[in-house]
Amino acid sequence: QLQLQESGPGLVKPSETLSLTCIVSGGSFSSTRYYWGWLRQPPGKGLEWIGTIYYSGTTYYNVSLKGRLTISVDTSKNQFSLRLSSVSAADTAVYYCARHSRGAASLEAFDIWGQGTMVTVSS
Amino acid sequence: EIVLTQSPGTLSLSPGERATLSCRASQSVSSNFLAWYQQKPGQAPRLLIHDASSRATGIPDRFSGSGSGTDFTLIISRLEPEDFAVYYCQQYATSPLTFGPGTKVDIK
Repeated sequence: QLQLQESGPGLVKPSETLSLTCIVSGGSFSSTRYYWGWLRQPPGKGLEWIGTIYYSGTTYYNVSLKGRLTISVDTSKNQFSLRLSSVSAADTAVYYCARHSRGAASLEAFDIWGQGTMVTVSS
Repeated sequence: EIVLTQSPGTLSLSPGERATLSCRASQSVSSNFLAWYQQKPGQAPRLLIHDASSRATGIPDRFSGSGSGTDFTLIISRLEPEDFAVYYCQQYATSPLTFGPGTKVDIK
């Protein structure tokens, strides 16, 4: 069955760039039926949608992060990536990648999630 | 941005009891594009309900969702031991996609 797996450094210094990759396995990454998203959850807090990408490269960003955020896709490797620049302690969180469907809503609910990866911003 | 408010913050119940969780939106959620997720400690969220009332694949029928406009409800008809967790609502009607702060269902 479809699986998503996040990877990347667990520790990033303030003002530097956070980079994560999500590898999609067990299913069709380039399907026209799905979008691929990033979300995060600070320790002990709720969930925040970061942004989403379609296999063609079309992106949808949370405006609160838009100036620092880049999401890209590599269909040859069945993966998509997140880059968040100028990080601070406020960016410390568990980062999840997830799939959502393309349907009646522009972006549907998130139906399959990765296990998440903890990223700490600290010097 | 649509702001979602969930109540109560914590719900203390016993196994076998009925749980009623509320999610209220700051403006109408068009086409009832609202989902509910369950999250257990150390795990990723799991989709329970989408489109306000449609159960996701593999979700037991003790979970049901209802509502429209700005008021939505998740009901767990009879709590099983594995249902004690945090529940989040999320709207996907407009960008940015937003989540509520969560309701924790714990054992009384």
